[in-house]
Amino acid sequence: DGGITQSPKYLFRKEGQNVTLSCEQNLNHDAMYWYRQDPGQGLRLIYYSQIVNDFQKGDIAEGYSVSREKKESFPLTVTSAQKNPTAFYLCASQGDAYGYTFGSGTRLTVV
Amino acid sequence: DQQVKQNSPSLSVQEGRISILNCDYTNSMFDYFLWYKKYPAEGPTFLISISSIKDKNEDGRFTVFLNKSAKHLSLHIVPSQPGDSAVYFCAANYGGSQGNLIFGKGTKLSVKP
Repeated sequence: DGGITQSPKYLFRKEGQNVTLSCEQNLNHDAMYWYRQDPGQGLRLIYYSQIVNDFQKGDIAEGYSVSREKKESFPLTVTSAQKNPTAFYLCASQGDAYGYTFGSGTRLTVV
Repeated sequence: DQQVKQNSPSLSVQEGRISILNCDYTNSMFDYFLWYKKYPAEGPTFLISISSIKDKNEDGRFTVFLNKSAKHLSLHIVPSQPGDSAVYFCAANYGGSQGNLIFGKGTKLSVKP
C-alpha cells in the first residue's frame, strides 16, 4: 500500500540538541515537502525538493536543514539554531497531479 | 503577505445543516484550488479540488464553488455530520502541477449533534 511514513510520531528534544525527523514515501513521487503547523498559523513551508540531490528553502527555513539523497527519502534536521522548534511537522509528496499526499506528522517538543 | 486567506478561524453548525467554509485569494495567477481536511495529530487529507476554468465541482456531500472575479471560493458540506468536525485548509497553486501549494490558515469546523 503506497503512502508516506513519518517517524517518530512523538519526539522530545533537549535544548541545544539537533534532531532528525524521518520521511519516507513509496509513491514514486518526485517532489517532497516539509511543513510546520503551529496553532492559528496554518501550514508553513520549511523546505521542498523537486528532484533528488536538489532542494529549496521555503518561507521558514532558518534553523532547519534537509537532504535528498534518494527519491524515497527527505529527512528534516531541526538544529539548535531553531529557537522555537516545538510544533507539529508534516511531510508531503507530490506526483503528477496537483495535490499533495501528506504523512501523519511528527510532534516535536522541547524539554 | 497572505495570498490565501481563511478569515474565519472557526465555524459551528448543527448536524444536518449546511456548512459553508470560505476562502479568499489575492494572486490572479492561481489556476487550481484544493480543500484539505485535517484531524488533530494527523496529516491533512485531500477532500476536493477545482480548476480555474470551472466554477463548481461536486463530490457527494461536498461542493466547491469558485468566483474568479471576486477571487473567492467556498466549500459547502450538505448535510453536515459530526464526523466532519475537523480543520479545513484551502490551498491554491500556479505554475502547473509542480508548483508549490499555498495554504490558508485553516477553519476549524465543529458539527454539533
